[in-house]
Amino acid sequence: GAVVSQHPSRVICKSGTSVKIECRSLDFQATTMFWYRQFPKQSLMLMATSNEGSKATYEQGVEKDKFLINHASLTLSTLTVTSAHPEDSSFYICSARDLGPPYEQYFGPGTRLTVT
Amino acid sequence: DAKTTQPPSMDCAEGRAANLPCNHSTISGNEYVYWYRQIHSQGPQYIIHGLKNNETNEMASLIITEDRKSSTLILPHATLRDTAVYYCIVSWLLYNQGGKLIFGQGTELSVKP
Repeated sequence: GAVVSQHPSRVICKSGTSVKIECRSLDFQATTMFWYRQFPKQSLMLMATSNEGSKATYEQGVEKDKFLINHASLTLSTLTVTSAHPEDSSFYICSARDLGPPYEQYFGPGTRLTVT
Repeated sequence: DAKTTQPPSMDCAEGRAANLPCNHSTISGNEYVYWYRQIHSQGPQYIIHGLKNNETNEMASLIITEDRKSSTLILPHATLRDTAVYYCIVSWLLYNQGGKLIFGQGTELSVKP
């Protein structure tokens, strides 16, 4: 099956710094990628939809200036958490949609962010 | 996207069939039923999907009622490694570039020896 990777798998950063998470589709092209976050004991929450070559679409309540998304190629999307704070500590998961029909969606393994 | 309702938790004995129900009474005609599972601290894993016919693959079977308002995921011989949170999602994702997967609370399945 199609593979989506994320890097890093775990990251610890200090409060006030920014951290970038990469999401790559390894064996397929994806015009659309999605970013989710998940707090402990909770479900995945869709943050934004990232479209290659255009601006991301953010879900209601997600701060677009805090969570910067770039989708510069058909195989790479990045999420930058700017000025991170402890409350941003979470599990961030990306997924990528196949370029052609039936547009199946594949998930990455997730990135554990801890802000100290 | 239509909303789904699942029991928050279920137990199953190892080797027995696990039957996970899902209600999706507001499903529309072109929406598919998807099942994903998430093992602790991993990304979701695709299990199966269907539109209106029952489906089976190497992992599970999906039974969709005739009115499409509910479905059941069946793991025929549950193992300890099937312990996970199972999500039932309704979406017009397939064959439509605009769809997306919105996760509900899911069912936490515990397979016990």
